[in-house]
Amino acid sequence: QQQVKQSPQSLIVQKGGIPIINCAYENTAFDYFPWYQQFPGKGPALLIAIRPDVSEKKEGRFTISFNKSAKQFSLHIMDSQPGDSATYFCAASTRGSQGNLIFGKGTKLSVKP
Amino acid sequence: ETGVTQTPRHLVMGMTNKKSLKCEQHLGHNAMYWYKQSAKKPLELMFVYSLEERVENNSVPSRFSPECPNSSHLFLHLHTLQPEDSALYLCASSQGTGYYEQYFGPGTRLTVT
Repeated sequence: QQQVKQSPQSLIVQKGGIPIINCAYENTAFDYFPWYQQFPGKGPALLIAIRPDVSEKKEGRFTISFNKSAKQFSLHIMDSQPGDSATYFCAASTRGSQGNLIFGKGTKLSVKP
Repeated sequence: ETGVTQTPRHLVMGMTNKKSLKCEQHLGHNAMYWYKQSAKKPLELMFVYSLEERVENNSVPSRFSPECPNSSHLFLHLHTLQPEDSALYLCASSQGTGYYEQYFGPGTRLTVT
């Protein structure tokens, strides 16, 4: 009930490709869905986040698509660059959960030049 | 830098040692968190402090003991750890609990021998 399932575990794309990372959840009480980006030797950093009252949110080359009925959300990276190579984590949280973010296992993205 | 610093960055300790991890945030936030990041597993929330009071303790073994002397500092005291406790320990802070963006430090890589 509390899990967030993330796929794929790893992903390799060519520069300019559009990697897509998917997450699914069961708990319908989740109402905040952030994505974090983590480079080697660094802590995760918030990339983009969405609330379930919208179906899509864009920030630069990063887009979250949200499907409330399917309880799924995904991250798309447009025109991917080698500098986007990192591990990406989806997460979910509920109001009043005292900051308790439930994270997916992560996707290691490699963008080849 | 994210404004959250952690020391030490690397720590090797024996199972009978006592050591402490330190986290400091320079962002004026009121909430601080300890997470454990292990290979192939999701980030696990260990403790949450809001306004220096512990508000979340996710069934963490007593060999991990947190301390929050003020809103800028957070410690994780370690004693009689097990090899399976080897992981990256991440500290984070946020303006408050709930939906606020969490800012992560770079982590302490802990190895228990």
